[in-house]
Amino acid sequence: GAGVSQSPSNKVTEKGKDVELRCDPISGHTALYWYRQSLGQGLEFLIYFQGNSAPDKSGLPSDRFSAERTGGSVSTLTIQRTQQEDSAVYLCASSPTLDTGELFFGEGSRLTVL
Amino acid sequence: AQSVTQLDSQVPVFEEAPVELRCNYSSSVSVYLFWYVQYPNQGLQLLLKYLSGSTLVKGINGFEAEFNKSQTSFHLRKPSVHISDTAEYFCAVSVWDTGRRALTFGSGTRLQVQP
Repeated sequence: GAGVSQSPSNKVTEKGKDVELRCDPISGHTALYWYRQSLGQGLEFLIYFQGNSAPDKSGLPSDRFSAERTGGSVSTLTIQRTQQEDSAVYLCASSPTLDTGELFFGEGSRLTVL
Repeated sequence: AQSVTQLDSQVPVFEEAPVELRCNYSSSVSVYLFWYVQYPNQGLQLLLKYLSGSTLVKGINGFEAEFNKSQTSFHLRKPSVHISDTAEYFCAVSVWDTGRRALTFGSGTRLQVQP
């Protein structure tokens, strides 16, 4: 596809379960970001991948959150032992260059923790 | 560290009226500035960007923004809005920070266009 693809689009889970959210960036984009958008809130930075460099994990809210990016392409955000406060839309974005910071966003994965 | 302030969380406006969405930023280094729009149940898409050059930048859907360095502002304007402009608008600032592009978003402004 031409754009950033995220799956699942919606995920409902029970408190305490683990979830995995997937992001397939635009082909050739070297930078990949994960953001969290809670109801009525702005965008909260979670993690950033750039090429083969070590990821910037400074935005991850707790050690229950982790992410990886395989082969410089697809990324998976994993949330372990989900809590109700993890309910949010998780947005992935990619960028072709470091020069400007212009991002191309996916449509997000809406996570609901019951 | 940089920050972005969007003073208005909601802006109601009537169709065909002009609108201005305010954005102020703070940064100790040079910045690139962006406005993104998020329609209901969708991701964000770029509306316009300021990288350099003319301080008045034009974007999609008839929007424009003006970079004012002295005021550290990047307000978004449209002379006549449509119902379809109803969406959430995010201002963002990009700076080069310790080897990476750091992008900081404002909290968003919900534009509600009424008939």
